[in-house]
Amino acid sequence: DTGVSQDPRHKITKRGQNVTFRCDPISEHNRLYWYRQTLGQGPEFLTYFQNEAQLEKSRLLSDRFSAERPKGSFSTLEIQRTEQGDSAMYLCASSLEGLRPEAFFGQGTRLTVV
Amino acid sequence: TQLLEQSPQFLSIQEGENLTVYCNSSSVFSSLQWYRQEPGEGPVLLVTVVTGGEVKKLKRLTFQFGDARKDSSLHITAAQPGDTGLYLCAGVATGRRALTFGSGTRLQVQP
Repeated sequence: DTGVSQDPRHKITKRGQNVTFRCDPISEHNRLYWYRQTLGQGPEFLTYFQNEAQLEKSRLLSDRFSAERPKGSFSTLEIQRTEQGDSAMYLCASSLEGLRPEAFFGQGTRLTVV
Repeated sequence: TQLLEQSPQFLSIQEGENLTVYCNSSSVFSSLQWYRQEPGEGPVLLVTVVTGGEVKKLKRLTFQFGDARKDSSLHITAAQPGDTGLYLCAGVATGRRALTFGSGTRLQVQP
């Protein structure tokens, strides 16, 4: 297994367009997280899945954001009607439920809204 | 307000110097993780500390978890330019599910 994979690595879009990002977690991991990170800051939690169930959503996740994890495997994060303030690095992480909750991250998707 | 407060926010030192980064909270954590992140990449896990008072060493890096499991520190001995990066602490607070991050400490080691 090659770890957490995110696609695309970079995305440039015009304001108002919709974008979708994909995350493939480590295969045996049942927990999946999405984070957003802006320059000079730590990652901010967006949402969390355990298997296919979305168990927690941050207040940062506006109506324009939606995440899915069909069949408890890969996940997608969609942003509708993008705004310039959505420009950020979007990070996906996965972990295995248990006593050691280490999360392993993908390389991220850098979104630039112009 | 940040659940995890890191200090300092930025540190610029010369090669060979020692440094300590702090991660503090008013909440209790079942465990804390330390990550290192380079520009344009995702965070890479360095260590997890689980037991209050635990000390873990990773070559020149020493990690400590506070007795009350509310704080942690990272000490680097004889820093090298390759240590340059953003150091992040993260953890799951008791009663919560999501991994929360500190705001990070940006370390620059000058040759």
